[in-house]
Amino acid sequence: GAVVSQHPSRVICKSGTSVKIECRSLDFQATTMFWYRQFPKQSLMLMATSNEGSKATYEQGVEKDKFLINHASLTLSTLTVTSAHPEDSSFYICSARAVTGYGYTFGSGTRLTVV
Amino acid sequence: SQQGEEDPQALSIQEGENATMNCSYKTSINNLQWYRQNSGRGLVHLILIRSNEREKHSGRLRVTLDTSKKSSSLLITASRAADTASYFCATASMEYGNKLVFGAGTILRVKS
Repeated sequence: GAVVSQHPSRVICKSGTSVKIECRSLDFQATTMFWYRQFPKQSLMLMATSNEGSKATYEQGVEKDKFLINHASLTLSTLTVTSAHPEDSSFYICSARAVTGYGYTFGSGTRLTVV
Repeated sequence: SQQGEEDPQALSIQEGENATMNCSYKTSINNLQWYRQNSGRGLVHLILIRSNEREKHSGRLRVTLDTSKKSSSLLITASRAADTASYFCATASMEYGNKLVFGAGTILRVKS
């Protein structure tokens, strides 16, 4: 079945640094990938939609200059959290939608801790 | 955002009992999906029901969809301790570019 690999699974960084999270579709092409953030004991909140070859579409309230998204190929999207602050600490999950079909496949998530 | 509501927020049952979780949403949809998440882990897709379907089964799972009430339910029969997890419904709508939008989730605890 469709597999999405998300890396790293855990990262700890210092305030003010940047962190890059990768999301790869391993055995299918995904023109669209989605990035979600999840705070403890809460639901997944959609941050942005990543479109291959074009600019990402951000949800209301999400700072595009802080959360940089690049979707350079049909199998890779990256989310870079720039100038990270402790309040950016969260669980980030990506999802890829196949070019065909209804399916959404999720990565295993990245636990970001900013100290 | 078309994030839906789920109830109950938390559910605690004994092993062997059935668990029912409900989800309501706000707009027209193409499909509704249910996911499971173990603590601190990624999401596992459980079942997808299309807007023209009313009921779907998969193993011990039964999902219903009532588009007139904009609601869905997930029934887990003969629950097991391993079913302990958070359960989320998510909707996809052409109106929102088929973005998958999640409900608030139900935390299910199955006691052995």
